Amino acid sequence: DTGVSQDPRHKITKRGQNVTFRCDPISEHNRLYWYRQTLGQGPEFLTYFQNEAQLEKSRLLSDRFSAERPKGSFSTLEIQRTEQGDSAMYLCASSSRQGKFYEQYFGPGTRLTVT
Amino acid sequence: AQRVTQPEKLLSVFKGAPVELKCNYSYSGSPELFWYVQYSRQRLQLLLRHISRESIKGFTADLNKGETSFHLKKPFAQEEDSAMYYCALGFQKLVFGTGTRLLVSP
Repeated sequence: DTGVSQDPRHKITKRGQNVTFRCDPISEHNRLYWYRQTLGQGPEFLTYFQNEAQLEKSRLLSDRFSAERPKGSFSTLEIQRTEQGDSAMYLCASSSRQGKFYEQYFGPGTRLTVT
Repeated sequence: AQRVTQPEKLLSVFKGAPVELKCNYSYSGSPELFWYVQYSRQRLQLLLRHISRESIKGFTADLNKGETSFHLKKPFAQEEDSAMYYCALGFQKLVFGTGTRLLVSP
């Protein structure tokens, strides 16, 4: 297991198109997170799962965004009708409990460019 | 509301100089605070967390609840410390600051 992986690494799409990103967490991790990072900003939380249950969604996650983790393993993040403001790096992280602490391990990210 | 402030976008020092990366937070309760680092062309990774009170790669960070700060310090900077540093707050979801780029020159 080489860590959290994300696919694709880069995506260029035209405004109005739908895109889907995939995240494969570290195999024994039960929690999976999605963050978005725009230029000059730190990562911003979007949503997270514990196993297949989506436990929290940010207000940033508009109706055009949907995330799933159907079998508690990989996750997908879909953006419908993309807008130029969706251009960002989308980061996935996974974690498992170590005492009271969940250390989040990040993937390399998917860079989305909406033209 | 939870918020993390990193006032410096860029900190440039010479090798061997002391480094202090500032982080202030707002949180009503006992915070869980972290420093993450991103080296060039690498993914974001945890550097240290306040609860462990450890020193990683010579870096330390002390939580000051009175000043609501969690500054990252290193007495003697090395060129390989050059990276983007993010302060983060949270238990499940993380709230990140905007980051400080540390540039260590020879």
